[in-house]
Amino acid sequence: KAGVTQTPRYLIKTRGQQVTLSCSPISGHRSVSWYQQTPGQGLQFLFEYFSETQRNKGNFPGRFSGRQFSNSRSEMNVSTLELGDSALYLCASSIRQGGETQYFGPGTRLLVL
Amino acid sequence: SQQGEEDPQALSIQEGENATMNCSYKTSINNLQWYRQNSGRGLVHLILIRSNEREKHSGRLRVTLDTSKKSSSLLITASRAADTASYFCATDAGNTDKLIFGTGTRLQVFP
Repeated sequence: KAGVTQTPRYLIKTRGQQVTLSCSPISGHRSVSWYQQTPGQGLQFLFEYFSETQRNKGNFPGRFSGRQFSNSRSEMNVSTLELGDSALYLCASSIRQGGETQYFGPGTRLLVL
Repeated sequence: SQQGEEDPQALSIQEGENATMNCSYKTSINNLQWYRQNSGRGLVHLILIRSNEREKHSGRLRVTLDTSKKSSSLLITASRAADTASYFCATDAGNTDKLIFGTGTRLQVFP
């Protein structure tokens, strides 16, 4: 099976802009989770989608949002970008929702200038 | 905030030596997982141990779990240069259904 794919892999934006990241899970996986990784804060949980519904959300402002489509593909959007949003954004898929084994994509590295 | 904290933050060893990393967490859990991350890449799942298990093996990996102390350890035996990576523990933090990651241990294995 193909692994989790994320697009784009690298992105440079300026403050105030918005960005949309995409994630395609492993075939048959219905849960998609998003994480933000920074040197200062480590790996932080953003949200989880299962069957097109947000099941869980981390402690991030409303500028961070996401959605999941009927084919389980997911997108996350960050509006009004801030310098502190520069990070590696990781997507992970799993068969079931919740804290089970997750399979990670390679990540999207976002740089906000 | 982080659910788990790894110790040590960094570890340097020679090939062939064993590497031990520890993870402490704060709340009750259903399971604890260990992941590996090569520099700036996605995470790779290594092993999952459930709260009713005390020890689990997978190849050169040995994981222990002590729920009374809220701690886990990951032992990599006969380490190789290819084991150089960051290692993270992750817990489901009880019934929150979130996977919360620890701060990670950076392992450097010298040939």
